[in-house]
Amino acid sequence: RKEVEQDPGPFNVPEGATVAFNCTYSNSASQSFFWYRQDCRKEPKLLMSVYSSGNEDGRFTAQLNRASQYISLLIRDSKLSDSATYLCVPNYGGSQGNLIFGKGTKLSVKP
Amino acid sequence: EAGVAQSPRYKIIEKRQSVAFWCNPISGHATLYWYQQILGQGPKLLIQFQNNGVVDDSQLPKDRFSAERLKGVDSTLKIQPAKLEDSAVYLCASSLGLSSTGELFFGEGSRLTVL
Repeated sequence: RKEVEQDPGPFNVPEGATVAFNCTYSNSASQSFFWYRQDCRKEPKLLMSVYSSGNEDGRFTAQLNRASQYISLLIRDSKLSDSATYLCVPNYGGSQGNLIFGKGTKLSVKP
Repeated sequence: EAGVAQSPRYKIIEKRQSVAFWCNPISGHATLYWYQQILGQGPKLLIQFQNNGVVDDSQLPKDRFSAERLKGVDSTLKIQPAKLEDSAVYLCASSLGLSSTGELFFGEGSRLTVL
């Protein structure tokens, strides 16, 4: 089983839609999880951190299901500016830190 | 506040040539990372420094890749000799402490094309 698995997409959605991405991870010991956003030909930037069951920040909600070893990202009321690749990043290294980046899910929000 | 600086932004070389990339992290950030991102893939950690010491270089192809951070600030990543499969974006990132907090600050990257 791959360390981090994401549906590469692309997810093509209209403005205002709600869209969700799932990410599965293989290391059940992972304590923390992160979603990064990467715009085309740009560097990744931290979007959200998840340390317990989930986190919410405005239109973005991340939920963690430890039993099934997946983490999801929900985007409500999609904006054109949300178009990007979303990278799932579990921390495999405990306190030392060992971030494993997924391949990402590409989102395209259309007018 | 200045971000992570990298140079060059673009580099085109022929296989078997050598290349070096430079990174200046955010001031005060003790941890520095080099990632390789191949088109369509997520970033893959090559090496992680804590100040001037290596924390993790398990995925660095040491027969051709080398990196140093001699004074605990700037870092260079060298590839010698380059192979076609080294074509990628080389991302430098820094963080205040260890990556367990998840917040890495990335530079814009150095895009390498090996012909």
